[in-house]
Amino acid sequence: GAVVSQHPSRVICKSGTSVKIECRSLDFQATTMFWYRQFPKQSLMLMATSNEGSKATYEQGVEKDKFLINHASLTLSTLTVTSAHPEDSSFYICSARDATTDTQYFGPGTRLTVL
Amino acid sequence: GENVEQHPSTLSVQEGDSAVIKCTYSDSASNYFPWYKQELGKGPQLIIDIRSNVGEKKDQRIAVTLNKTAKHFSLHITETQPEDSAVYFCAASRGNAGNMLTFGGGTRLMVKP
Repeated sequence: GAVVSQHPSRVICKSGTSVKIECRSLDFQATTMFWYRQFPKQSLMLMATSNEGSKATYEQGVEKDKFLINHASLTLSTLTVTSAHPEDSSFYICSARDATTDTQYFGPGTRLTVL
Repeated sequence: GENVEQHPSTLSVQEGDSAVIKCTYSDSASNYFPWYKQELGKGPQLIIDIRSNVGEKKDQRIAVTLNKTAKHFSLHITETQPEDSAVYFCAASRGNAGNMLTFGGGTRLMVKP
């Protein structure tokens, strides 16, 4: 299957700082990428849909000014958690759609811990 | 919107036995149903998917069945092995994989050696 990478895999930061997470499709182009958040022992919660070259579509309850998404190329989307607080600590996962196979592939996730 | 229910939430089987996980969905317009396996601390991995134009799909020890009339689909794992132990998520989507997926709550499968 296609490969999606995320960087970093783990980050610990102080409260008030901003953290950027990168999501890359390594062997296919992805016009659409998705960002999810997952709490321990829970399912994935969609945060936003990221379309290359246009603004992201955020799910209800997700603050667009806090979770900045940029999808500047067909292989890269970034999620920036601005002014992070301890309640933002979570497992963030991206996925990318491979249009040639019409299949959605997930990245390995990023564990964010805000102290 | 779409609502996906998944059962059971936990499943324990003996190595070599079969495991079945069931999902129901509410949106009759959904026509793409993937299954993902998630190991601890990792992202979900697509293991099999089915589209509404077929009723069953098989890949080695894994099979998925779809009943569009009843709006339910199931994952079947035969000859389970300890490495099958993980959390499994079903999902449903309208149109194609480019549309948002609605996930079930997950099933924690434990295969005892």
